[in-house]
This record gives sequence, C-alpha cells and structure tokens, in this order.
Amino acid sequence: NAGVMQNPRHLVRRRGQEARLRCSPMKGHSHVYWYRQLPEEGLKFMVYLQKENIIDESGMPKERFSAEFPKEGPSILRIQQVVRGDSAAYFCASSPGREDEDEQFFGPGTRLTVL
Amino acid sequence: SQQGEEDPQALSIQEGENATMNCSYKTSINNLQWYRQNSGRGLVHLILIRSNEREKHSGRLRVTLDTSKKSSSLLITASRAADTASYFCATDAYNFNKFYFGSGTKLNVKP
Repeated sequence: NAGVMQNPRHLVRRRGQEARLRCSPMKGHSHVYWYRQLPEEGLKFMVYLQKENIIDESGMPKERFSAEFPKEGPSILRIQQVVRGDSAAYFCASSPGREDEDEQFFGPGTRLTVL
Repeated sequence: SQQGEEDPQALSIQEGENATMNCSYKTSINNLQWYRQNSGRGLVHLILIRSNEREKHSGRLRVTLDTSKKSSSLLITASRAADTASYFCATDAYNFNKFYFGSGTKLNVKP
C-alpha cells in the first residue's frame, strides 16, 4: 500500500508564474489536508478537502491560492502569480475519514522555490 | 489559538541519554499526535494519544497527556544519533480534522 504521494518534490518558479502541486492520498483515504511549512517553522493548516468538496479553507490565503480534490485524480493546490513569500514546503496529508481513524498520514512534501 | 507549542526549542544530548520534550496547547482537543521531521524531509508519524488516555508507549517512545494542564510530553529513552531530528506535536480541535502544529523541538543526539 503506497503512502501519500506528492509531486513534484521540488518546484522552481519565477515571480508571477503559476505553481501546481499534486497530492495522491493513500488508497482508501477520502480526506486530504494541505499544510505549509515556512523555513524554521512548524506546519500551518491551509485547507481540508473531501472528494469534490472543500470542507475547511480557513487557513488558505484569500487570494491567489486555490485547492481542489476532484472525483477522479489527485488533489491539486494551485498558487497563481507566485511571490517570493510563497517559497515553502507544502505537505499533503490524508486520512480514511472514519470517526475512529482520524490519524493523518503525510506525504514527503513539495518544496517550492520562487526566484 | 489551538496551536501546540513545544518546549524546549532545542535540545542537545549524548547518545544513550533520555530526551524529554514538552508540548502545551490552549483549548480542548480530541487527540494529540507527535511527529518527527528529519532535516529537509517529510513528517513521520510517531504516536497518537487520545484525550481520554494518559500514557502511551511505542518502542523507545513514551507519551503522556495531561488534559487538566493542557500539556503532553514525549520521552525518547536510550537516544541514538539517528534520533536527531525536529519533533512536532499536533493537536486537533474537537470534532474538527485539521491539525495545529507547534514550531517544534530540534533534538541533536551526539554520538
């Protein structure tokens, strides 16, 4: 059973470009979470999604950031018109979504560098 | 804020010694989890303790939870150089699924 997959592992973008980060949850998991980790800091919650639904996006910046988790395919975190401050590690986690199984399993992360 | 805060921020010990890290949080939780992160790598889940549990063991790890004090501790016994990493506690709000992480404790185990 493969773990949470994220790609790319490293992404370099110039200011103003778009960044697309992908996350494939573990098999059987229907809940996906995105976290951002700035250098030397802990992880900060961004958004929580179930298939085709955004459940909680209270941690997402209001502009330029969006997330989706379609019925088929991976979850996508999209950052438009990137700025240097977007440089960070972005982690995706998944969970089964069952009440007694709320442990989140993390992917290896995508390290975004904005030049 | 729900955020867990780890203490100390950095800890340096000799191989074979025990390492204790603490985590404090602010509001009621459903569970608390500890994660390890090696430099530049992803997170590895270590242990989950639920709000109705007081202590859990996993190998050389021992976690305690005191909900009255809103604090948890992670003890690593007989530390090894390979334990060198950052350790984070993560708390979830009751009935919510998002986790709040502290800024971590950087553990350095000297061989």
